[in-house]
Amino acid sequence: GAVVSQHPSWVICKSGTSVKIECRSLDFQATTMFWYRQFPKQSLMLMATSNEGSKATYEQGVEKDKFLINHASLTLSTLTVTSAHPEDSSFYICSATDRVPQYFGPGTRLTVL
Amino acid sequence: AQSVTQLDSQVPVFEEAPVELRCNYSSSVSVYLFWYVQYPNQGLQLLLKYLSGSTLVKGINGFEAEFNKSQTSFHLRKPSVHISDTAEYFCAVSKGDDKIIFGKGTRLHILP
Repeated sequence: GAVVSQHPSWVICKSGTSVKIECRSLDFQATTMFWYRQFPKQSLMLMATSNEGSKATYEQGVEKDKFLINHASLTLSTLTVTSAHPEDSSFYICSATDRVPQYFGPGTRLTVL
Repeated sequence: AQSVTQLDSQVPVFEEAPVELRCNYSSSVSVYLFWYVQYPNQGLQLLLKYLSGSTLVKGINGFEAEFNKSQTSFHLRKPSVHISDTAEYFCAVSKGDDKIIFGKGTRLHILP
């Protein structure tokens, strides 16, 4: 149990386009989902926390207009990187929880050309 | 505020030897403690967690960790490592269904 999926697993896009990443909890209802960003050989950096049906809470320094998060249901959250630029290239990982602990998705590698 | 310190950025170990990955935390309140493993280009997999109760926690893949409140430590151990254990290991702390604070990670290198 406690499986979290992400789609797509990797994506390449042109600078200026928008990219949507989906995070799904497959076998449980997630009251809270988290979005992280990970740079090579570094730890995870929390970007935002989202609760179903409410606005996401962004960490300091994360542009909410650039990284749009929607948590439409208890099993789905989406992260949209708007007007992507090469510096947005990274590994994005989501996690989901209904109580302790958090379960993580497999990650999405975004490359912006 | 909580923080997590993983004292070793890299640990080389010979195959079939024991290993200990160190983790210390700081917090003014009771916390939950976790170890996650990340294989290359993958997400994080929960190895084990301490929520309450017995201070010795057993996880998957033969790993275990011991919660030591007086030393504020949660070191991860395995008596005999395998080449497949090569990965990045993250210690983490949380107050509950709240955000997780991660350590910087320890890369475990298994030597043949």
